[in-house]
Amino acid sequence: EDQVTQSPEALRLQEGESSSLNCSYTVSGLRGLFWYRQDPGKGPEFLFTLYSAGEEKEKERLKATLTKKESFLHITAPKPEDSATYLCAAPKDKVIFGPGTSLSVIP
Amino acid sequence: KAGVTQTPRYLIKTRGQQVTLSCSPISGHRSVSWYQQTPGQGLQFLFEYFSETQRNKGNFPGRFSGRQFSNSRSEMNVSTLELGDSALYLCASSVGQINSGANVLTFGAGSRLTVL
Repeated sequence: EDQVTQSPEALRLQEGESSSLNCSYTVSGLRGLFWYRQDPGKGPEFLFTLYSAGEEKEKERLKATLTKKESFLHITAPKPEDSATYLCAAPKDKVIFGPGTSLSVIP
Repeated sequence: KAGVTQTPRYLIKTRGQQVTLSCSPISGHRSVSWYQQTPGQGLQFLFEYFSETQRNKGNFPGRFSGRQFSNSRSEMNVSTLELGDSALYLCASSVGQINSGANVLTFGAGSRLTVL
């Protein structure tokens, strides 16, 4: 069965404390791995798409990487405004979302 | 550029009633997909419409239905509401179909449904 899981469920960081979020997938015929950010009361907002193992993409303090079984979202020197839920997703006939990681960055 | 618009933003219904939610996609986007988001189950795919045709459906009962109009606007309907239908319902639009893998989803802010 196609599945996307994420860890940790919640992460609390001090401002400036770098860390990584994990997304593990078992999806046959992967057609891309997406990362979204969701703020409370809003819909998810697109961050990155990765298509092949070894691919990396960066945006400000975020860098996403992809292996054959996992994707990582690295957050370097986070700020309080990075606090949000981060979702990864794999599209097939439908989009399979992971449960998300709730990130809190404390000033 | 206008984003994805969902109406209403909040609504309260009682068990047994039905509800219709509306989604206006970004201009030029032909695919609209719907999702249910709850704290326990996360984001769950409901269905996708492309060129007025339902392309795929998630594992939800037949009480959940939808349609898409010629201008790509979409509606979803839930009949005979149950307490467990309380959730945030999100729609997303994209240029092409989800299964291509290349299409970024742009989400609306959601319709929060409370069933009493």
